[in-house]
Amino acid sequence: SQKIEQNSEALNIQEGKTATLTCNYTNYSPAYLQWYRQDPGRGPVFLLLIRENEKEKRKERLKVTFDTTLKQSLFHITASQPADSATYLCAPASGYALNFGKGTSLLVTP
Amino acid sequence: DSGVTQTPKHLITATGQRVTLRCSPRSGDLSVYWYQQSLDQGLQFLIQYYNGEERAKGNILERFSAQQFPDLHSELNLSSLELGDSALYFCASSPGQGRAGELFFGEGSRLTVL
Repeated sequence: SQKIEQNSEALNIQEGKTATLTCNYTNYSPAYLQWYRQDPGRGPVFLLLIRENEKEKRKERLKVTFDTTLKQSLFHITASQPADSATYLCAPASGYALNFGKGTSLLVTP
Repeated sequence: DSGVTQTPKHLITATGQRVTLRCSPRSGDLSVYWYQQSLDQGLQFLIQYYNGEERAKGNILERFSAQQFPDLHSELNLSSLELGDSALYFCASSPGQGRAGELFFGEGSRLTVL
């Protein structure tokens, strides 16, 4: 069955450092992959989408890579700030449905 | 504000009861998605509608049903409720059929089954 794995343990980093979150998937070949941010008790908010023919995508301090051979996406936040503290969800997609990983909680401390 | 409206925001009910959750998508969006989020399961895809027709189905229980109306709003009906149905239920919308577009999520309906 299809599986999406994100680090279940929370990631704690210091302000100003780069946070790197991992998303691995098995048993399917997504045509694209999305990343979302979710704050406690709120709905997820879209951040970035990367297609299977794109190796890397950037948006301001965010960078996403997509390795279809390794079946992995990495999500980087550079110059992290306390306001970046949230849970980040990845969603590899092929077809109509969009399934999400359980998310990785990021805590950025001053 | 994503433009997606969900009601009610909070709902407390008893086991065995039936509830209806309502979602109004962003203006112009034709697709509506329903998700269930509980602490241990993460965000689980339930069902997707596009312009009134069911497009994709996830792990939706037989006790749950949904529909999208001609005005594009959607309702998720949960019946014979069990304690384990307590969760946040999110609705999301997108302009197209969802193949490569971002989803806009509402703020969710928190269901507590006692």
